[in-house]
Amino acid sequence: GQQVMQIPQYQHVQEGEDFTTYCNSSTTLSNIQWYKQRPGGHPVFLIQLVKSGEVKKQKRLTFQFGEAKKNSSLHITATQTTDVGTYFCAGFGKLTFGTGTRLTIIP
Amino acid sequence: NAGVTQTPKFQVLKTGQSMTLQCAQDMNHNSMYWYRQDPGMGLRLIYYSASEGTTDKGEVPNGYNVSRLNKREFSLRLESAAPSQTSVYFCASSFRLAGYEQYFGPGTRLTVT
Repeated sequence: GQQVMQIPQYQHVQEGEDFTTYCNSSTTLSNIQWYKQRPGGHPVFLIQLVKSGEVKKQKRLTFQFGEAKKNSSLHITATQTTDVGTYFCAGFGKLTFGTGTRLTIIP
Repeated sequence: NAGVTQTPKFQVLKTGQSMTLQCAQDMNHNSMYWYRQDPGMGLRLIYYSASEGTTDKGEVPNGYNVSRLNKREFSLRLESAAPSQTSVYFCASSFRLAGYEQYFGPGTRLTVT
């Protein structure tokens, strides 16, 4: 069945450093979504990517969808304390969430 | 609009007890979902309902049943709770099954002793 892996599982960065999380699927995806979950909260939708090679930006966040539509990445430039949380990708073909990357910020 | 609401917020059960988790959405969404979240495991889909009147198994359906009561409500039932079902349960909804963002409820933290 479809499996979606995310790396790294944890990332600790100094405030102001960049952060990247990677999402890899065992099968080709029709589209991919990214969610953020703050500690103690629920997942909140960030963005959806549909096209091969697509790149979308939201302020300091950059999302990419691979050419083969089997991988994706989220890059945060100059992290801030408000970026703390766990970032999940969710792949469609068969709806599958990745295992998440937990980001902590050292002030 | 309240979005997606879940009850209860917390629950402690003894092994073998049964309970129903309630979920409702007021966004006129067609699709609804139940997930469980365990540390280090991400979100795993238990059951989903693509539209009113239909339900389908997700990745981890064993030990659970669901009912799509109407377009607004989607309940999850544990017939005989087991310690392995200790988890945080999230309900979510979306306009349609694929290609639309999911809105999540606040979650139910369930402990089975």
